[in-house]
Amino acid sequence: ETGVTQSPTHLIKTRGQQVTLRCSSQSGHNTVSWYQQALGQGPQFIFQYYREEENGRGNFPPRFSGLQFPNYSSELNVNALELDDSALYLCASSQQGGSTGELFFGEGSRLTVL
Amino acid sequence: RKEVEQDPGPFNVPEGATVAFNCTYSNSASQSFFWYRQDCRKEPKLLMSVYSSGNEDGRFTAQLNRASQYISLLIRDSKLSDSATYLCVVKGIAGYSTLTFGKGTMLLVSP
Repeated sequence: ETGVTQSPTHLIKTRGQQVTLRCSSQSGHNTVSWYQQALGQGPQFIFQYYREEENGRGNFPPRFSGLQFPNYSSELNVNALELDDSALYLCASSQQGGSTGELFFGEGSRLTVL
Repeated sequence: RKEVEQDPGPFNVPEGATVAFNCTYSNSASQSFFWYRQDCRKEPKLLMSVYSSGNEDGRFTAQLNRASQYISLLIRDSKLSDSATYLCVVKGIAGYSTLTFGKGTMLLVSP
């Protein structure tokens, strides 16, 4: 497996609540990217963290925020949940500056908003 | 125009068939190109990179046409285990090192 672990694997929330998803990157990787994958769609880029700083952001509102810690693990926080936030949230780790462009994904956190 | 567009699918083929997937991308400045594979309810995994000169990995052949902003993946002698969703991925659209994924094309290989 990739060595990228995410938690929780499944969770159910209601509209307006807040959620925190966690990710441990693969050993030796210093960059974490978060993606949202709705049913039947490809993964959509949320943001990327490198050296504890946001290093790129996709077209997501500010209520999507994140953190990266000194050990390169990361959190994704979503405030004021909406029904459309129901999706699989994927964390991917990589080595910044790596030439292959390969992302190593965790198995994801499946969020259902009721 | 979407940043990365793929054939809508699904593709239903018998074992042993040859199948081709097509993909177009919007940003001519895009740097690198990949095909990822995603099994049902699993995470995406890199299948292969795509090089300008075209490249092959066993039964899989990937091609890139920068002038037409077009990428393809050819699978020969399809196996049941090839059943999955194939994601076209482009690096450098949303940022230097970020990857932009297409919607994916599902392949179903039947006996």
